[in-house]
Formats: sequence, C-alpha cells, structure tokens
Amino acid sequence: EDQVTQSPEALRLQEGESSSLNCSYTVSGLRGLFWYRQDPGKGPEFLFTLYSAGEEKEKERLKATLTKKESFLHITAPKPEDSATYLCAVQAPPNDYKLSFGAGTTVTVRA
Amino acid sequence: EPEVTQTPSHQVTQMGQEVILRCVPISNHLYFYWYRQILGQKVEFLVSFYNNEISEKSEIFDDQFSVERPDGSNFTLKIRSTKLEDSAMYFCASRQGSSQPQHFGDGTRLSIL
Repeated sequence: EDQVTQSPEALRLQEGESSSLNCSYTVSGLRGLFWYRQDPGKGPEFLFTLYSAGEEKEKERLKATLTKKESFLHITAPKPEDSATYLCAVQAPPNDYKLSFGAGTTVTVRA
Repeated sequence: EPEVTQTPSHQVTQMGQEVILRCVPISNHLYFYWYRQILGQKVEFLVSFYNNEISEKSEIFDDQFSVERPDGSNFTLKIRSTKLEDSAMYFCASRQGSSQPQHFGDGTRLSIL
C-alpha cells in the first residue's frame, strides 16, 4: 500500500507566484519525514528533515511544515532555478533503515 | 562539500550478463544504501548495509543481487543474470548516523539490451 502520496503531480508557476506542495503519509511511529529536490538526471538532493508535528524548517525560498498526517513544502516567490521535482520520503518502523518515497511533484517556474 | 560518487554514470549491458555498480560514500558515514528508480516511477529501496552486513532489504533484492564493501571506501552492487526489467537508475546513498539524513549520489543509468 502507498505510504506516501504527493500532490499535485505537476505545478506550473509564474516567477514570484507562491504555492505549496503536499505530502500525506499513512505510517505510525514516524521517525522522520524528509524533503529532497531532484533535478533531471541527478540524484535526490537533501533539503529538510522534520521529526514531529508542529516542526518547521526554512531554507531560502522554501519552508517545510509537518502535521500528524501530512507535510507541506511552501515555495515563496519562486525563481526559475527552483524548477525541479520535489520528493517527500518517510522513515518509520518496522523499516527503520529505509526511506519510502512519494512519486514527487514536478515544479516548473516560468520567468 | 563531501558527496557520494557513483561510477559509471551509464552502463549498457547485454541481457544475462553481470554488472557491478560502484559507489564511494561520504567518508565518515556508517550506513549505506542502494535505491533504484525505473523511468517515470518512484525511487524504490533495495538494500541497506551497516557494520559490514545487510541490515534490511526489499522483496526486489533477491538472489540476483548482492552488495559488498570490499575496502574502507567503496560500496558495490552486483546484479547477476541481468534482465530487461533491471533497466533503471540506481542510486547509492549514505548517512552518518541513524538520525541523520541520507545523501545520494547522481546515480548509474543501467540499460539492459
């Protein structure tokens, strides 16, 4: 069964148009929720780790938040260089070592 | 900044042949992983390796696959008797500790003909 569901699948934004990506998860005993950025032909690049509901992390134009059922990645005033696929992954028992990934949201920012 | 490096970047192999994918994890990391991503699909976990042994593996990781840390710096994935459906991007990842994030290499694109 899907543990991690991301929406929307694709997002087209105008430069400066803020928006949010959603990651919903159905695991119990969450050890950590991770956000990665993936550029075409590259490996996932780590952005944030969130461990508990209410936690927020911020980096440049990106802000990640976490509730008991979902996480949001907010992109504020995006630039074309923010265009990428954003992946959400969870780490939860009984599989404490692996990451379970969502399918990702592909963001395209037009100048 | 330290990074995970993978070689080769692209490997083309005939069906039925064996391939070895190579990874150099970040030097002070203790946990090592292989994932794969079939074109257009999710990143899928294959195997994790800690303290010189497999700590967890997925149902994909059957007898066709094996991993090895032959020395203090390399981590390899061997795929025997390759099949067409093994074609994918294979990513190596490493992390320093159990509560640290995993860092990924840029992958090896494996094409089985």
